[in-house]
Amino acid sequence: SAVISQKPSRDICQRGTSLTIQCQVDSQVTMMFWYRQQPGQSLTLIATANQGSEATYESGFVIDKFPISRPNLTFSTLTVSNMSPEDSSIYLCSVAAGTNYGYTFGSGTRLTVV
Amino acid sequence: DAKTTQPPSMDCAEGRAANLPCNHSTISGNEYVYWYRQIHSQGPQYIIHGLKNNETNEMASLIITEDRKSSTLILPHATLRDTAVYYCIVRKTGANNLFFGTGTRLTVIP
Repeated sequence: SAVISQKPSRDICQRGTSLTIQCQVDSQVTMMFWYRQQPGQSLTLIATANQGSEATYESGFVIDKFPISRPNLTFSTLTVSNMSPEDSSIYLCSVAAGTNYGYTFGSGTRLTVV
Repeated sequence: DAKTTQPPSMDCAEGRAANLPCNHSTISGNEYVYWYRQIHSQGPQYIIHGLKNNETNEMASLIITEDRKSSTLILPHATLRDTAVYYCIVRKTGANNLFFGTGTRLTVIP
């Protein structure tokens, strides 16, 4: 299955600033997915990122707050903009790893906004 | 995607089988049942999936009832490293993403 490298693994940021999270995959994939996991909660899908097109956002998430880039088939970034303490969460990227392996997830970025 | 219902928590003695239930009574014919687990501070890990037949791999077995309205994930010999949150997810064929429920927090007790 695919191997995902996600950076940074954690960060503490000041409110009002922005953080860009990187997701690198060791193989070419069509779709990459970004999830948010708030403290003590399950995962919520933020958006789906296709190479060469605009990301598709789920209800409750907007591009101005969570801009996504997908410059090639192995890389994507998620930016958390104008952060507030409510954005403190773990952010994870994921790719489809083929029918036999389901989906592979990165280890996540633990973001704390102070 | 069909909604799933899981108990919020379960305990299991080390070395015994852990049986994790999941209800998905509104599942439709083209939806698969997936199981993932999330060990503390890690991303979710794929365990197993199935459509209507029982499945087994090196990690676990998946038992799906004949009417497909429920399933059970079986870890045959639970170890302390199996302590995690286990998610049962129903996904349509061809769907591109996963929708996670609240999961079951399994604690394996020495």
